[in-house]
Amino acid sequence: GAVVSQHPSRVICKSGTSVKIECRSLDFQATTMFWYRQFPKQSLMLMATSNEGSKATYEQGVEKDKFLINHASLTLSTLTVTSAHPEDSSFYICSAHKRGVPGQGAQYFGPGTRLLVL
Amino acid sequence: GDSVTQMEGPVTLSEEAFLTINCTYTATGYPSLFWYVQYPGEGLQLLLKATKADDKGSNKGFEATYRKETTSFHLEKGSVQVSDSAVYFCALIGGGTSYGKLTFGQGTILTVHP
Repeated sequence: GAVVSQHPSRVICKSGTSVKIECRSLDFQATTMFWYRQFPKQSLMLMATSNEGSKATYEQGVEKDKFLINHASLTLSTLTVTSAHPEDSSFYICSAHKRGVPGQGAQYFGPGTRLLVL
Repeated sequence: GDSVTQMEGPVTLSEEAFLTINCTYTATGYPSLFWYVQYPGEGLQLLLKATKADDKGSNKGFEATYRKETTSFHLEKGSVQVSDSAVYFCALIGGGTSYGKLTFGQGTILTVHP
């Protein structure tokens, strides 16, 4: 159990277009979902935290108007990269915190989405 | 703010060799500490964790002990296998941070040869 999927797994788009990435918890409900960005040979950087039915909380330096996050249900969160540019090319990873599981570490990660903006 | 520092990689070992990946941290309060593993093409998986000083986390032959006095959480395995080849991330949730917010180290690539 505790599987998180992401779709698409990789996407190539033209500069100026918008790209939507979906993150789904397949067999559990997630009260909180997290979006990370991972640059090559670097760590995961938290971009934002989203709770179902409320606005996302963005980390310092992350443009909320560029990276739109919607957490529409307890099993789905979406990240939309608006007006993408080549510098937005990266590996985007989501994670989901399992509802009802106390304590820390009950966070499950998706396989990531590779975005390449040409 | 909170931070995690891992030893530089990549690490290349022969099968059955001993593994140590160093991890030190800076955090406010009393953090919980984690090791995550990322196999090629897959998402991060929790490998082990420790939530208080002197706790030892263990899983699949890997171990790490929460050392508050040295602010460290080094990962060890006595005999690595080819299947252990992956990227390993040390991480923490600070005592003063919001619930579930992880701070990661930069990751260490481990390659094990037969």
